[in-house]
Amino acid sequence: AQTVTQSQPEMSVQEAETVTLSCTYDTSENNYYLFWYKQPPSRQMILVIRQEAYKQQNATENRFSVNFQKAAKSFSLKISDSQLGDTAMYFCAFMKHGLGIGGTYKYIFGTGTRLKVLA
Amino acid sequence: NAGVTQTPKFRVLKTGQSMTLLCAQDMNHEYMYWYRQDPGMGLRLIHYSVGEGTTAKGEVPDGYNVSRLKKQNFLLGLESAAPSQTSVYFCASSYSIDPGLADTDTQYFGPGTRLTVL
Repeated sequence: AQTVTQSQPEMSVQEAETVTLSCTYDTSENNYYLFWYKQPPSRQMILVIRQEAYKQQNATENRFSVNFQKAAKSFSLKISDSQLGDTAMYFCAFMKHGLGIGGTYKYIFGTGTRLKVLA
Repeated sequence: NAGVTQTPKFRVLKTGQSMTLLCAQDMNHEYMYWYRQDPGMGLRLIHYSVGEGTTAKGEVPDGYNVSRLKKQNFLLGLESAAPSQTSVYFCASSYSIDPGLADTDTQYFGPGTRLTVL
């Protein structure tokens, strides 16, 4: 069974600094997708970044980038130039869908890392 | 474009009562999902739907039923609420989970419903 582990329940970073959130997962699948979602105090879940497992190049979205190590089953999120608005819970997620409408669908979330950006 | 909306935002039930949570999306998404979020456990998939008229069980389906009579709506029902169902419920939708289509597996979430069962 797939599992997603976020080993850092809480982290803090000074404004304008860089922080890395860790995520590891366990799967026997070869093709899958990985995501980082942000949940601010408003509770709205917002996609931060996504990575296809078949792509070797690490995904980047503005100040957010990932370090995807497929062999190590690691998918960390780096936030550069941290801003106060980055304060939120961050969830790592794994997605795999079987072929066809009858295929098994799996979307597994980690338990989250609470990030606080300090002024 | 409202995205994904959920009704109600808050609800308090007594044990044994029933209720229905409504999720609506205006993005013409094929797929819709219901999750629950509990402290220290992240999000867990309850049920999902890959199209109008279809539903499937997720990770924690017991005690819940769903229906997708219209493409834009996905209903989550609790027939006999229990205190263990106290949680925050999130609905999400996506266009497709076909790996061959670019960025169609991204899920768009509603604002959540906080449910308390006494």
